Amino acid sequence: DTEVTQTPKHLVMGMTNKKSLKCEQHMGHRAMYWYKQKAKKPPELMFVYSYEKLSINESVPSRFSPECPNSSLLNLHLHALQPEDSALYLCASSLRGEGTEAFFGQGTRLTVV
Amino acid sequence: AQSVTQLGSHVSVSEGALVLLRCNYSSSVPPYLFWYVQYPNQGLQLLLKYTTGATLVKGINGFEAEFKKSETSFHLTKPSAHMSDAAEYFCAVKSSFQKLVFGTGTRLLVSP
Repeated sequence: DTEVTQTPKHLVMGMTNKKSLKCEQHMGHRAMYWYKQKAKKPPELMFVYSYEKLSINESVPSRFSPECPNSSLLNLHLHALQPEDSALYLCASSLRGEGTEAFFGQGTRLTVV
Repeated sequence: AQSVTQLGSHVSVSEGALVLLRCNYSSSVPPYLFWYVQYPNQGLQLLLKYTTGATLVKGINGFEAEFKKSETSFHLTKPSAHMSDAAEYFCAVKSSFQKLVFGTGTRLLVSP
């Protein structure tokens, strides 16, 4: 199994809503990532988890709250988002180690109204 | 900080023609370099990677890339383009602390 599975595929939420994005992998990877990708732009790193502990937070606003409950799951909790937060949110995982490649999920297309 | 630069936001080729997508890196230490492809409304798929060893790296779908330290380049090539190759291509470098940093991307357009 070389898949990273993200749910939901599409999400529309109001600015006062609370929602969560979910990501799951069963490749035994101990590094997991959240990226944000705006249209016609490259993915931008948001968070990195290593051994279920947050190791990198790229100065992301607190309305985005990551969680890694176990070695296979990664969540991104969303609260009080703004329309400019609308984007494709990508989850990825990799083995730890500098030369290891990241495997990406299909993404969640988020629209904030 | 390590970074990559992709020259050309769009590249257009005819079906059957050579594909050349350019990537230059900036790194004070030996870099770990990757090429990813993204089809519309999908995630990223790894084409190939360079870590150490052989400088000519072969990937999936007939793509290959050559690591040239003297030119700080890692250009992606394919001898003969197919219509199905039309997509967005990202060069990336992996720094310490698990950070994967992407170039700005190159959209490949393939005409019949």
